[in-house]
Amino acid sequence: GQSLEQPSEVTAVEGAIVQINCTYQTSGFYGLSWYQQHDGGAPTFLSYNGLDGLEETGRFSSFLSRSDSYGYLLLQELQMKDSASYFCAVPVTGGYQKVTFGTGTKLQVIP
Amino acid sequence: ETGVTQTPRHLVMGMTNKKSLKCEQHLGHNAMYWYKQSAKKPLELMFVYNFKEQTENNSVPSRFSPECPNSSHLFLHLHTLQPEDSALYLCASSSSLAAYEQYFGPGTRLTVT
Repeated sequence: GQSLEQPSEVTAVEGAIVQINCTYQTSGFYGLSWYQQHDGGAPTFLSYNGLDGLEETGRFSSFLSRSDSYGYLLLQELQMKDSASYFCAVPVTGGYQKVTFGTGTKLQVIP
Repeated sequence: ETGVTQTPRHLVMGMTNKKSLKCEQHLGHNAMYWYKQSAKKPLELMFVYNFKEQTENNSVPSRFSPECPNSSHLFLHLHTLQPEDSALYLCASSSSLAAYEQYFGPGTRLTVT
């Protein structure tokens, strides 16, 4: 089976940097995705790490270490609009792929 | 219309009612998914369709019945639901080769009374 662990809540100050961690245990590993979900909204895809290392997309970066079964999402220059829940997810396969989502981290950005 | 659309956005139904949720994707994807999201719980995968064929049923009770007439449309038929089925139901789509990158609809907020 698959399990993913994330901190339930994180608070950070506007303009600062915050790191949201995700540790996973999976039978078969293909990569790590990150999604953002605002209250009342739908999840939106942010990034995918298929290989170890850092992927940067604007203010957001995502990192993966397969040897440590660990990844993180890094948000820089935090803005109030970044207040949302962030989910890590791993694709699993049994023929066709599907995805298992983590429990989510609620980020609150404060002035 | 662009992206993934869902109707209705809100639904209140009694336990003896029958209703259907509709999802449509305009992204040319060939995989579609139904998820249930309850308060303070992770997204729960319910069903997966690839090229109109159901490839995953995550032990979902039979009172939920999916239908996928083509790669662009997905339905979730509901009957004799329970109050604990009240949740946000999300539809998503992706390339069947890239399930890691899913695009979600806005969801249907379902309340069972």
